[in-house]
Amino acid sequence: DQQVKQNSPSLSVQEGRISILNCDYTNSMFDYFLWYKKYPAEGPTFLISISSIKDKNEDGRFTVFLNKSAKHLSLHIVPSQPGDSAVYFCAATVWIQGAQKLVFGQGTRLTINP
Amino acid sequence: EAQVTQNPRYLITVTGKKLTVTCSQNMNHEYMSWYRQDPGLGLRQIYYSMNVEVTDKGDVPEGYKVSRKEKRNFPLILESPSPNQTSLYFCASSPAQGPKTQYFGPGTRLLVL
Repeated sequence: DQQVKQNSPSLSVQEGRISILNCDYTNSMFDYFLWYKKYPAEGPTFLISISSIKDKNEDGRFTVFLNKSAKHLSLHIVPSQPGDSAVYFCAATVWIQGAQKLVFGQGTRLTINP
Repeated sequence: EAQVTQNPRYLITVTGKKLTVTCSQNMNHEYMSWYRQDPGLGLRQIYYSMNVEVTDKGDVPEGYKVSRKEKRNFPLILESPSPNQTSLYFCASSPAQGPKTQYFGPGTRLLVL
């Protein structure tokens, strides 16, 4: 039962254009959403997050949008740069029996073409 | 440099031969966790620890053990590895009492024959 889903395994975008990565979730109890970026042979690194009480959070070229009614999350990267080529994981936190759990999506491989 | 380290980075072993993957963090974090990454499944939590001597099961704990005798170390033990434990493993730590602001190690790629 995949509670956080990234339905696009891969995405290819031209340098300078906008990259939009999408994520859907099923659990309405998720209280925080995060995006992680992962390069080959490295661990994931935190990129940006958003609380469930907000609908937008921006950090430089990265903006995360949250649509709670649709249970949908998206990450916008503008403008896209070659260094943005990586696997992006969407994740969400939920409290279960007094402990906070982090649930990941399957990941989307983003390739930025020069 | 603040970091999470894992050893070994790559390991090939045979079914049933006990192994330990070490994890150490130098940030004085209380929360530590182990994940495995498999194609099409993302990262799934194996075990986590909210403090010394406090550990709990994640989503896929079967076939794994952990211990937290010291704050900085959180080893992952496979008592009798099987081929379905072939995976990419990540250790992570967090300054908070939860996984929201985790720092990940570089990963350990394990192949069980």
